[in-house]
Amino acid sequence: EAQVTQNPRYLITVTGKKLTVTCSQNMNHEYMSWYRQDPGLGLRQIYYSMNVEVTDKGDVPEGYKVSRKEKRNFPLILESPSPNQTSLYFCASSLSSRAQAFFGQGTRLTVV
Amino acid sequence: DAKTTQPNSMESNEEEPVHLPCNHSTISGTDYIHWYRQLPSQGPEYVIHGLTSNVNNRMASLAIAEDRKSSTLILHRATLRDAAVYYCILRVGPSGYSTLTFGKGTMLLVSP
Repeated sequence: EAQVTQNPRYLITVTGKKLTVTCSQNMNHEYMSWYRQDPGLGLRQIYYSMNVEVTDKGDVPEGYKVSRKEKRNFPLILESPSPNQTSLYFCASSLSSRAQAFFGQGTRLTVV
Repeated sequence: DAKTTQPNSMESNEEEPVHLPCNHSTISGTDYIHWYRQLPSQGPEYVIHGLTSNVNNRMASLAIAEDRKSSTLILHRATLRDAAVYYCILRVGPSGYSTLTFGKGTMLLVSP
């Protein structure tokens, strides 16, 4: 089954403790991206990747890092999480930046 | 990026047709009209897209005005599972990078 898989689905952590949210897709898609969703602000793009080793900032990249060493994986790294990064995070993939996007089930992160 | 305008919310009864409007008066000639929806507690999912002609798929129909300044997503028989936030998004094509920018969308409420 074609899918985008995020882990973990839920995470509670403390301020400053580095964490990684993993994202994996099995559709051989070149384009992957990360979004965060907050009440009243909607979905905003954090980072995107056009292909392996090619990443770029989205609209709200501050406090986040990404890497794309393999085509199928696009982890989101929070080196020093802060409470304002408490949010619902979605990973997405598509054949290209203009193609139909497939989204993961989301990761609900709480930073205390 | 050209913007879209959608009603904040709409209501429907189960098994009735639903017409979700979207205005995009500043659309350019190469912009595609995409629709995504987000069910409660899930990631967004692709519904349909089109350029000039009306489009049908197993999920919905997309009716595009002749001047392309507006479009309507049609759910032919709403079910309770169609209750979601529906996003109308313009995407540039066919060449170049195109980000997927979500607005506030229309929350569709379906009553039994």
